[in-house]
Amino acid sequence: GESVGLHLPTLSVQEGDNSIINCAYSNSASDYFIWYKQESGKGPQFIIDIRSNMDKRQGQRVTVLLNKTVKHLSLQIAATQPGDSAVYFCAEGGGADGLTFGKGTHLIIQP
Amino acid sequence: EAGVAQSPRYKIIEKRQSVAFWCNPISGHATLYWYQQILGQGPKLLIQFQNNGVVDDSQLPKDRFSAERLKGVDSTLKIQPAKLEDSAVYLCASSVSRERDEQYFGPGTRLTVT
Repeated sequence: GESVGLHLPTLSVQEGDNSIINCAYSNSASDYFIWYKQESGKGPQFIIDIRSNMDKRQGQRVTVLLNKTVKHLSLQIAATQPGDSAVYFCAEGGGADGLTFGKGTHLIIQP
Repeated sequence: EAGVAQSPRYKIIEKRQSVAFWCNPISGHATLYWYQQILGQGPKLLIQFQNNGVVDDSQLPKDRFSAERLKGVDSTLKIQPAKLEDSAVYLCASSVSRERDEQYFGPGTRLTVT
């Protein structure tokens, strides 16, 4: 069936560097995408979302890019901090309205 | 505002036993979701409620899982009988409406079936 997925299970970056987490989705009919951050023992926390009529959206230290041509989504985190260490999920809001999540990328911030 | 509340936070049961999880969504949120998150994977939607009605339960294993939201506020998810493969974190989320609004997640209930 349709699914969203992430390219890398683990990403390690130096504190202060920028990080980019990638996601590929397969449902070309999807028109809503979300990035969630999940820390150990907690539920997913909303970071930023984007609708299919946009290519880019910026938040505080985060930017989401959407390339509908190749069905690719990315999350850029600027000047990473220790508190950014977590598992990051992209999710797709489909016709059923519940979210379809990928497997997640574990972001590790090296001091 | 208070977030989504879930209880218990942890539960250990033996296979073939039954278990129930409780969720209290954010006040005023009409839409409530239950997700199952197996270790190392992303959450998977089990069931979605709009007020007290079921919108989507296509991925709910109905032979053993059931859920209700009788008064359109709190919800319970039950497993009877449990299997080893049901070991997971069960997440509850809520949103203002079905129109793809941001979903707010609770801390989850970690279920271990032995």
